[in-house]
Amino acid sequence: AQKVTQAQTEISVVEKEDVTLDCVYETRDTTYYLFWYKQPPSGELVFLIRRNSFDEQNEISGRYSWNFQKSTSSFNFTITASQVVDSAVYFCALKDNNDMRFGAGTRLTVKP
Amino acid sequence: DAGITQSPRHKVTETGTPVTLRCHQTENHRYMYWYRQDPGHGLRLIHYSYGVKDTDKGEVSDGYSVSRSKTEDFLLTLESATSSQTSVYFCAISPDRASSYEQYFGPGTRLTVT
Repeated sequence: AQKVTQAQTEISVVEKEDVTLDCVYETRDTTYYLFWYKQPPSGELVFLIRRNSFDEQNEISGRYSWNFQKSTSSFNFTITASQVVDSAVYFCALKDNNDMRFGAGTRLTVKP
Repeated sequence: DAGITQSPRHKVTETGTPVTLRCHQTENHRYMYWYRQDPGHGLRLIHYSYGVKDTDKGEVSDGYSVSRSKTEDFLLTLESATSSQTSVYFCAISPDRASSYEQYFGPGTRLTVT
């Protein structure tokens, strides 16, 4: 079965706090890709990162970092020193040999 | 930004009326997709196209049809709109359906069926 679970529906933090968004996935395929998208209040979907199943190296891009662990089927996203502009809904997605499957999303609110 | 536009951006229609949403791309990508976004469900695939006149069903295709007569245009039609089809509809494109390709999304169309 193909499934993506984002257990955190909503998270609220104060600016400059670090925050981690969880993503757990299920797939029977050995080759697959994981993605994170950001949907700011303006509504568009912005691609953030793609990671393939054979590359478990963590990735850092500025204040954003991603931790991929095949042993726990997780692909978590951490924002360091959060800012108000990080307020958005974040979606994790899985693409294997089936159609792309999205999680339900986590709404992050960063308060000043 | 990927060249994807959707029209209309907002629409209010009555139950039972037909509705067509348009997605237009300037990237010459082979694959185009229609998703709907609903609270608690994320994005769910309705239909996708892998070329002119080549389409296939997604997870939630009931009540929807699609057509692609040109590479750049992908139309989504609700033959007889129902209130359960009130949603935000996103079009997406990718050069290939392979796992390695991310999809780029249009700005979305907010459809309300009264």
